Amino acid sequence: DIQLTQSPSFLSASVGDRVTITCRASQGISSYLAWYQQKPGKAPKLLIYAASTLQSGVPSRFSGSGSGTEFTLTISSLQPEDFATYYCQQLNTFGQGTKLEIK
Amino acid sequence: QVQLQESGPGLVKPSQTLSLTCTVSGGSISSGSYYWSWIRQPAGKGLEWIGRIYTSGSTNYNPSLKSRVTISVDTSKNQFSLKLSSVTAADTAVYYCARDDYGDYDLFHWGQGTLVTVSS
Repeated sequence: DIQLTQSPSFLSASVGDRVTITCRASQGISSYLAWYQQKPGKAPKLLIYAASTLQSGVPSRFSGSGSGTEFTLTISSLQPEDFATYYCQQLNTFGQGTKLEIK
Repeated sequence: QVQLQESGPGLVKPSQTLSLTCTVSGGSISSGSYYWSWIRQPAGKGLEWIGRIYTSGSTNYNPSLKSRVTISVDTSKNQFSLKLSSVTAADTAVYYCARDDYGDYDLFHWGQGTLVTVSS
């Protein structure tokens, strides 16, 4: 089975910062990668699919890139509502999550 | 806009079968080429994909849960269901239903989730 490893697991940043979260796959997975945002007590929300396709309604400050075994989620300028936990997913496997906190 | 809503007992005894239903509104469960999925999340932990069912009835399950999981669909009620047998405390989690729009496992629409606790 493929394993997904996100880094970092915790990230402290300020409003306006540019942040990048990485998801590494244990084997090449082409571009089948999605990113989700989850806020406490809420269901996850799809942000990016097919590695780089922005889901409808998601702000353009979110972007995804990568292929093969290394993928990144970038938030170009953090907004207060972006502080949440982020998960990558490939097929039936999720990464362990990255908690983005306010510095 | 499609909406999904989980329902079922919030408390299940160890060794029994957990049964949940997801009711779909805003569209027919049998229209389109969608996969209807279940995901769970223990408190304070990450997401675990459980399985999915296609509108034709074909299923895919997480290998780690496959021996205990059954997902079915009832098109007459616009619902799909999850059964997880022989539960233990490790199965305590928030259970989500979701829709995979393109068959690539990407989950475009989610229910709000329902907490199931396994305890005697």
